[in-house]
Amino acid sequence: AQSVAQPEDQVNVAEGNPLTVKCTYSVSGNPYLFWYVQYPNRGLQFLLKYITGDNLVKGSYGFEAEFNKSQTSFHLKKPSALVSDSALYFCAVRDIGGGFKTIFGAGTRLFVKA
Amino acid sequence: DTAVSQTPKYLVTQMGNDKSIKCEQNLGHDTMYWYKQDSKKFLKIMFSYNNKELIINETVPNRFSPKSPDKAHLNLHINSLELGDSAVYFCASSQEGLTDTQYFGPGTRLTVL
Repeated sequence: AQSVAQPEDQVNVAEGNPLTVKCTYSVSGNPYLFWYVQYPNRGLQFLLKYITGDNLVKGSYGFEAEFNKSQTSFHLKKPSALVSDSALYFCAVRDIGGGFKTIFGAGTRLFVKA
Repeated sequence: DTAVSQTPKYLVTQMGNDKSIKCEQNLGHDTMYWYKQDSKKFLKIMFSYNNKELIINETVPNRFSPKSPDKAHLNLHINSLELGDSAVYFCASSQEGLTDTQYFGPGTRLTVL
């Protein structure tokens, strides 16, 4: 069965510092991995996805993520955090076995301090 | 133009009532979804339709019934509302395909008193 783990409920980082939000996954086939961001009282917005190819994926707002097959991880990163990056971040996975069903992690709240 | 819209944004009702939430997407997508986000922000798929055909039906009580009159609309009707139904319900859409991004609506906050 598919599953996604986001081991940290909250990540705190100072503005200007690099940030990492962790995600690990478990699927039976090849994974299709996504990151979404949710701002307060809003729907989820797509940030980036890994389908195939280069393990380093670049997305919106300066975010990037690295797919690591051996560690079954897809950590979200940004070289320099902004206060406006403070939000709830969701990692999600799909695979052929799961069909159209997307499994979301529990979410990680990112707090960037000025 | 809003890509995925939901109405109403807020819904406050009494236990036992029946209510509906409407969703429309103008992206030309083939697949639409309903998700439930609970108070701990956990997001769970409820239903999915592809070209008006139900393709995902998770373990959701029979009181929840989705309807897709056409591929741009997916409505959610809830009968006999219970306290535990209080949550934020999100509609989303995507093109057909495993690799396609989902676009989410703004959510409907349902409060059952």
